[in-house]
Amino acid sequence: GENVEQHPSTLSVQEGDSAVIKCTYSDSASNYFPWYKQELGKGPQLIIDIRSNVGEKKDQRIAVTLNKTAKHFSLHITETQPEDSAVYFCAATHGSSNTGKLIFGQGTTLQVKP
Amino acid sequence: EAGVTQFPSHSVIEKGQTVTLRCDPISGHDNLYWYRRVMGKEIKFLLHFVKESKQDESGMPNNRFLAERTGGTYSTLKVQPAELEDSGVYFCASSRTPRGQFFGPGTRLTVL
Repeated sequence: GENVEQHPSTLSVQEGDSAVIKCTYSDSASNYFPWYKQELGKGPQLIIDIRSNVGEKKDQRIAVTLNKTAKHFSLHITETQPEDSAVYFCAATHGSSNTGKLIFGQGTTLQVKP
Repeated sequence: EAGVTQFPSHSVIEKGQTVTLRCDPISGHDNLYWYRRVMGKEIKFLLHFVKESKQDESGMPNNRFLAERTGGTYSTLKVQPAELEDSGVYFCASSRTPRGQFFGPGTRLTVL
């Protein structure tokens, strides 16, 4: 079946450094790729998303890149801050985004050390 | 705008008992989803409502799970009878379109 592989499972960086999380998806029909941040005791919060007709999208310190040929997409966080510490999930649509069903990666626990 | 709310936040029940989880989506969101995260693994899709209709229930584990969305507003997810493997965090999400899903805080279910 469809799946999304996410790496690394844990990531520890020093405050101010960059963090990169990578995902690979299997369904070539996927065309929408959101990233979620989950803080302790809260639900996943959508932080950025990208559609298959775009290669890169940036929002302040966060950027996402998509390589449709390789079926890879990545989250880049620059100038990390302690409040960036959380679990990050990538996701891809099951088929076209009209279905609504999201396939999630396993999650990455990011720790930013002050 | 109020976010997605879920009740209860935690539930501890014994194997064989019944539990009902509730989700109130963001007002005006026709799309409502249930997901589950078990034992620190990935978040897995359970089902998708469009208004009161089940659009996709391919992720429902078995017939012990019953989801309803009467009137197209709030939704309930009932587990009867609960088994140990049902333990996990159950998330509800809603959206106006299939993209941009907003998640609730989740219900942590523990089956003893």
